[in-house]
Amino acid sequence: KQEVTQIPAALSVPEGENLVLNCSFTDSAIYNLQWFRQDPGKGLTSLLLIQSSQREQTSGRLNASLDKSSGRSTLYIAASQPGDSATYLCAAFNFGNEKLTFGTGTRLTIIP
Amino acid sequence: GAVVSQHPSWVICKSGTSVKIECRSLDFQATTMFWYRQFPKQSLMLMATSNEGSKATYEQGVEKDKFLINHASLTLSTLTVTSAHPEDSSFYICSARRPDAGAWDEQYFGPGTRLTVT
Repeated sequence: KQEVTQIPAALSVPEGENLVLNCSFTDSAIYNLQWFRQDPGKGLTSLLLIQSSQREQTSGRLNASLDKSSGRSTLYIAASQPGDSATYLCAAFNFGNEKLTFGTGTRLTIIP
Repeated sequence: GAVVSQHPSWVICKSGTSVKIECRSLDFQATTMFWYRQFPKQSLMLMATSNEGSKATYEQGVEKDKFLINHASLTLSTLTVTSAHPEDSSFYICSARRPDAGAWDEQYFGPGTRLTVT
């Protein structure tokens, strides 16, 4: 059974800093790894999807990496802004059961 | 784009009543839709997988007689919470898989429905 963990559970950083969010998964037989953003009381916004054959994906100030062998993914946010404050979720999509398993999330606060 | 809507966005109901939540794919046909539940400050947990024209597949621990799922068309799936109780209060989110997209395994998420049972 896939288990996805995100550390830390909460993170506060001053505006302008670069930061890294971590995601680890126990079952490396994944199709893809996806990062989402969730604002309070809202649904999910897909940020980046990395296929199992890829090492990283970039979109603007966001860069996500994937290391299947170690069961890890990171989301790098450059030059953070207050608008980046949200909860960030990673999710692994597995072979076999073809299900998305979500991590516990990291609640990010960017301090102006 | 691939847009998924949910209706209602929030609902309050009395204990013992039933509530129906709709999930629609607005600009694509979705052969598979998924229903998730999210408790406060927790992550999303998959409840069931809904395939058009067939019975839903429920995750372990999810009561299929309590959470009725219908996927009658390629653009609509419904979740009915029957005989709702306060412990069913949660944020329900649906997603849809777009089979004609390049990344067949990508899911598109709805905005969620906040259910409060009093």
